Amino acid sequence: EIVLTQSPGTLSLSPGERATLSCRASQSVSSSYLAWYQQKPGQAPRLLIYGASSRATGIPDRFSGSGSGTDFTLTISRLEPEDFAVYYCQQYGSSRYTFGQGTKLEIK
Amino acid sequence: QVQLQESGPGLVKPSQTLSLTCTVSGGSISSGSYYWSWIRQPAGKGLEWIGRIYTSGSTNYNPSLKSRVTISVDTSKNQFSLKLSSVTAADTAVYYCASLTITMVRGVRHNWFDPWGQGTLVTVSS
Repeated sequence: EIVLTQSPGTLSLSPGERATLSCRASQSVSSSYLAWYQQKPGQAPRLLIYGASSRATGIPDRFSGSGSGTDFTLTISRLEPEDFAVYYCQQYGSSRYTFGQGTKLEIK
Repeated sequence: QVQLQESGPGLVKPSQTLSLTCTVSGGSISSGSYYWSWIRQPAGKGLEWIGRIYTSGSTNYNPSLKSRVTISVDTSKNQFSLKLSSVTAADTAVYYCASLTITMVRGVRHNWFDPWGQGTLVTVSS
């Protein structure tokens, strides 16, 4: 099983600041199988990024993804109030899908 | 635009079988573009993939749950279902159904979960 470890667990920032979220895999992951999701309280996760760097339909361009191999990053260039949420990375490998434990992005 | 909605009992007794249904609207479940998945999330915790099914009935399950899980599809009702047997308190979670897209993008296979149902809380308790 490929384990995804996200860091930090909690990130405290102010609106307008830049957020950098990390997702590290226990073994190499195909970039095409790496996705990022946003989840707000009481809601289902929402797809943000697929293929490590492609934005899903309707996702603002302040969200960007990068990385390869075992290290992937989600960057939010300039935080808006609605961006404060929990973010998960997800991969497919060895015939199963796994998620990271999440990074909570909170208002400082 | 495809939408998904989970339904089923919110309370299940220990050792019994959890049964949920996901109804797909706005598109045909038989569309070859999608697989259909179940994912769960215990309160305050992360996401766990349970399994997926294709319209042909072909399934894949999370090895950690495989012995207790059955996912099936009913194309006539545009629904797919989850059965999880011998449940314990550890199976208490919000259960989501989701559409799993597996497709070629610029010649490379990609996959992602989108959209998701709103989720349904299932509590295992006597």
